[in-house]
Amino acid sequence: EVQLVESGGGLVKPGGSLRLSCAASGFTFTNYNINWVRQAPGKGLEWVSSISSSTTYVYYTDSVKGRFTVSRDNAKNSVYLQVNSLRAEDTAVYYCARDRYDGIYTYGEFDNWGQGTLVTVSS
Amino acid sequence: QSALTQPASVSGSPGQSITISCTGTSSDIGGYNYVSWYQQHPGKAPKLIIYEVSNRPSGVSNRFSGSKSGNTASLTISGLQAEDEGDYYCSSYTSSNALLFGGGTKLTVL
Repeated sequence: EVQLVESGGGLVKPGGSLRLSCAASGFTFTNYNINWVRQAPGKGLEWVSSISSSTTYVYYTDSVKGRFTVSRDNAKNSVYLQVNSLRAEDTAVYYCARDRYDGIYTYGEFDNWGQGTLVTVSS
Repeated sequence: QSALTQPASVSGSPGQSITISCTGTSSDIGGYNYVSWYQQHPGKAPKLIIYEVSNRPSGVSNRFSGSKSGNTASLTISGLQAEDEGDYYCSSYTSSNALLFGGGTKLTVL
């Protein structure tokens, strides 16, 4: 069974940092791109970042460029999202999601999702 | 980049068909056949129900179908059932090598 389990969320002050983790199991991790998608309370989905299986290709939405960094450790079947310089508008549930395949780009075909980890930015 | 445009809400009675639209631009929906649709129930993670405009993942009911014309994609749910109630999101690949989601549509089954 495919499983994605996020962790690392919590309450942080504006300007603070967190490292989110996504632990994968039940599939050949190196065959898939992994993405981060967030959802602010009561709001819609927002794609945040993607990373290819080889880590060669990484992409970010404009609002997090320069503040967030995605990485993966294929030996540990894990993906990470380092979130720095946090703002109130970054408050959201952060999901990791598996692409249907491995490729240069992410086309938004996320066939498996974790349960999410909540990041709250507040003083 | 602005979100793709979806109606805030739609409703229908059991057995009926409904269609949810998703409007973008030539830089996203109109330029690529990489439109996906997701269903989300309260407190749950989204579920992929359509990819590449009109393809259904294994296990998704054939009551769900997708299409595209120009800069607008559509999701049709036929034979509406109570379990279809929830939020629906479209997404599209963009010319900026990014992904855009729609604002979401709340489906109410009357």
